[in-house]
Amino acid sequence: DAGVTQSPTHLIKTRGQHVTLRCSPISGHKSVSWYQQVLGQGPQFIFQYYEKEERGRGNFPDRFSARQFPNYSSELNVNALLLGDSALYLCASRPDRVDYNEQFFGPGTRLTVL
Amino acid sequence: GQSLEQPSEVTAVEGAIVQINCTYQTSGFYGLSWYQQHDGGAPTFLSYNALDGLEETGRFSSFLSRSDSYGYLLLQELQMKDSASYFCAVRDYDFNKFYFGSGTKLNVKP
Repeated sequence: DAGVTQSPTHLIKTRGQHVTLRCSPISGHKSVSWYQQVLGQGPQFIFQYYEKEERGRGNFPDRFSARQFPNYSSELNVNALLLGDSALYLCASRPDRVDYNEQFFGPGTRLTVL
Repeated sequence: GQSLEQPSEVTAVEGAIVQINCTYQTSGFYGLSWYQQHDGGAPTFLSYNALDGLEETGRFSSFLSRSDSYGYLLLQELQMKDSASYFCAVRDYDFNKFYFGSGTKLNVKP
């Protein structure tokens, strides 16, 4: 089975632009989470979606938004990009079990804002 | 909120044993997880402690003490491929949120 996939792999944008990042979870996983990882730091939780509904939100501005589609894939949108948005954006999926604690991460999208 | 602290860097020699500590301040959580991340790679799950005590998975063991707000990851028989960053993470009582520590970079030398 394929793992979590993300696209694109790398992206370069300029300040003020917007960006859309995409994630396909492992087949059968209905929960998708998004994380921002700045170089040298741990992943920071942005959003969690389950069954197309937002179930959790981290401490990020409203410029960040996301959605989940009927096939459980997900998009992360960031508007009005700032230099500080440069980071690795990770998507993670996990099975639909409350007692299941392992998250499966995708390879990430490296976003550079110039 | 959740706050997890780890040493920034640890160095050890091949074949040795190393312990990576994680201290936390939380408002409550289900359990403590550990992830490994190689440079340029994605985090991969190593272990999870829901209860106090030691969990062993091959060369890796993880420990949790809720009374001491403390946990650690123990790596035995270190190999060069263990050179990576290691993150502790908690699953919040609002169980849709996972919080990660800042990570410990492990350097394994020959």
